[in-house]
Amino acid sequence: DAGVTQSPTHLIKTRGQQVTLRCSPKSGHDTVSWYQQALGQGPQFIFQYYEEEERQRGNFPDRFSGHQYPNYSSELNVNALLLGDSALYLCASRRRGPNQPQHFGDGTRLSIL
Amino acid sequence: GENVEQHPSTLSVQEGDSAVIKCTYSDSASNYFPWYKQELGKGPQLIIDIRSNVGEKKDQRIAVTLNKTAKHFSLHITETQPEDSAVYFCAAIGSGAGSYQLTFGKGTKLSVIP
Repeated sequence: DAGVTQSPTHLIKTRGQQVTLRCSPKSGHDTVSWYQQALGQGPQFIFQYYEEEERQRGNFPDRFSGHQYPNYSSELNVNALLLGDSALYLCASRRRGPNQPQHFGDGTRLSIL
Repeated sequence: GENVEQHPSTLSVQEGDSAVIKCTYSDSASNYFPWYKQELGKGPQLIIDIRSNVGEKKDQRIAVTLNKTAKHFSLHITETQPEDSAVYFCAAIGSGAGSYQLTFGKGTKLSVIP
């Protein structure tokens, strides 16, 4: 039973560029959330998708956008990259419903030069 | 919004001893509290969780307690082993508009000394 898978594992970009990160949820899960984890910090919620729509958003600018496909996989897009966007980007999936456990992938390490 | 504070930030214990990590939360409507273990180069791994209608939950060497009145919850690891060394995060999820969003503490780096 495959868990949450993310690609790529590492990415290097320069300021001003755009990036797309990808996530496949755990089997049986239909809800995907994205988190940003700066070095030495806890993950920060970016947004959550289910039924192909953004359902909730954390305190992140519009440069961060996403998409969910009918097979529940998801993408995180970041435009106009800033040095401060360097972080580990984590995808988490869960079943719909209250208080369902969220399971994380191993993340994409994004470095901005 | 929810705010979660976690202590201590670092913890060193001898192998076989117990480790305790404590968290407090601010939103009295929060009703789900997971704990995650994160090893170097990996994503957070769910190790145990507790819901607000339960005061304590145990899974082998790991236990979590919840005090809703005081708004704090704790992770207890007994008979620690070197493979328990990692960063541990507590988190909380609320009801209503915040019910999909996990708010994390800043983490505790646990080192188990053989």
